[in-house]
Amino acid sequence: GENVEQHPSTLSVQEGDSAVIKCTYSDSASNYFPWYKQELGKRPQLIIDIRSNVGEKKDQRIAVTLNKTAKHFSLHITETQPEDSAVYFCAASYNFNKFYFGSGTKLNVKP
Amino acid sequence: GAVVSQHPSWVICKSGTSVKIECRSLDFQATTMFWYRQFPKQSLMLMATSNEGSKATYEQGVEKDKFLINHASLTLSTLTVTSAHPEDSSFYICSAGVGPAGETQYFGPGTRLLVL
Repeated sequence: GENVEQHPSTLSVQEGDSAVIKCTYSDSASNYFPWYKQELGKRPQLIIDIRSNVGEKKDQRIAVTLNKTAKHFSLHITETQPEDSAVYFCAASYNFNKFYFGSGTKLNVKP
Repeated sequence: GAVVSQHPSWVICKSGTSVKIECRSLDFQATTMFWYRQFPKQSLMLMATSNEGSKATYEQGVEKDKFLINHASLTLSTLTVTSAHPEDSSFYICSAGVGPAGETQYFGPGTRLLVL
C-alpha cells in the first residue's frame, strides 16, 4: 500500500514567519494530495488539496506544491498567525479510493 | 460544508463487551465511508473502507472479525468493536466524501473508546 512520510513532526515559528511542511509518498499512482488541519480535540478539516496534474496551488496564505517525479509535496503557510497553531496532516490518495495520512506536524506559532 | 456525525462521542466499556459506533452523513449521501483509528498525538491510520451495500475492505493487519463494519444505507456506516480489550482503546474517526468522486473528505467528530 501507500506510505506517506511527513516532516517535521513539530515546527515552531514566530508570528509572521513562514512555515513549510513536507511529505513524500511511495505509490506513483497516487493522484490526489489533500492537507488537513486538526485543532486540539477537533476533527480534521481540509485546508487545501492538489491533484497530480497541477504543480502548485495557492489559497490566500496557504500554498501547496507537488513534485510528481520526486514524489513529494509541501504545504507552505505565509504570514503565520497564532490561530494557525494546530496539527497538520498530509495525505495521498489514488482516485479517492483510499486516503493514507502522514504522521502529522504540530505547528506552534508564537505571538 | 457537509456534516458527518458520530455516535457515541465517548464510551467506556468492560473488557469482553462489544461496542457499536455510528457514522452518519447528515446532509449528503455517501456510498463510501472510511474508518480510521487515531492514537494520541499520532496520525490517522486507515482501518477499512465501508461500501454501501457490499462488504467492507480492510487494510492489512486489521482483523475483519474484530472490527465489523456495516454500511446499510447511503447515510449510515457502523463499526462494531467485538469482544473489546484494553488495547482497543483508541480514538475512532470516520469520514465520508463529497463530490463526483467523493474527493472532499469530511470527518466525523470521532469516538473515544476506553476499554477497562
